Amino acid sequence: DQQVKQNSPSLSVQEGRISILNCDYTNSMFDYFLWYKKYPAEGPTFLISISSIKDKNEDGRFTVFLNKSAKHLSLHIVPSQPGDSAVYFCAASARYGGSQGNLIFGKGTKLSVKP
Amino acid sequence: KAGVTQTPRYLIKTRGQQVTLSCSPISGHRSVSWYQQTPGQGLQFLFEYFSETQRNKGNFPGRFSGRQFSNSRSEMNVSTLELGDSALYLCASTYGQGAFLSGELFFGEGSRLTVL
Repeated sequence: DQQVKQNSPSLSVQEGRISILNCDYTNSMFDYFLWYKKYPAEGPTFLISISSIKDKNEDGRFTVFLNKSAKHLSLHIVPSQPGDSAVYFCAASARYGGSQGNLIFGKGTKLSVKP
Repeated sequence: KAGVTQTPRYLIKTRGQQVTLSCSPISGHRSVSWYQQTPGQGLQFLFEYFSETQRNKGNFPGRFSGRQFSNSRSEMNVSTLELGDSALYLCASTYGQGAFLSGELFFGEGSRLTVL
C-alpha cells in the first residue's frame, strides 16, 4: 500500500501562472516532508522541505503547505517558468519512527510549463 | 565538492545474468541509500547502509543485495535478472543515518539497467 501518493501524473500550466502540485500521505508517523525535482537523465535534486511542526515553508518562488489533519501537502510555484518543467517527487520521513528516517517517495508529477 | 558518482551509467544485460552497480558518496557522507525508479512505481527504496551495516531494507526480493565499504562506497548486486528489473537505479548519500540528521538526500545520476 502506498504511503505517499501523488494522484496527478502530470500537470500543464502557462508560464507566469501558479503551479500547484499535491501530495497525500497515510502514515501518521511521518514528521518531515520534502520535495525533489528531477530532470531527464539526472538524479533528483532537493527543492524544499517542511517539518510537521510548521504548516508553511517558503523559499523564493517555492512554497510548501502542510495540512496535518488532512494528511496533505502541496507545493506552489509562483510564477512558473519553463525551466521548472520536470518531474516533482513528494517524499516523507518518520525521523523518530521505526523506519529510521528513510524517505518514502510518491510516484511523481510531471510538470510542463508552456511559454 | 564532488557529487554522488554512480557507475556504470548505462548497461544492458540478459535474463538470468547478474549485475553489480557502484556508488561513491559525497566526501564525508556515511549513509548510502539505493532506490529503484520505474515509470509506473516512482522511486522505491531498496536499502540503506551506514558505517558498513545495512540499517534498513525495502520490500524487494533477496536477489537484490548490497554492501558498503569502509570508505563509504557502496555496491548493489542483482542476481538472476528478470525483465522487470529494468529500471533506473539511484544511489543517494547523506551525512547521518537515513534522513534523520540532514533531512535530505543527495542523489547521483543513476545507473540505467536494461534487461533483455
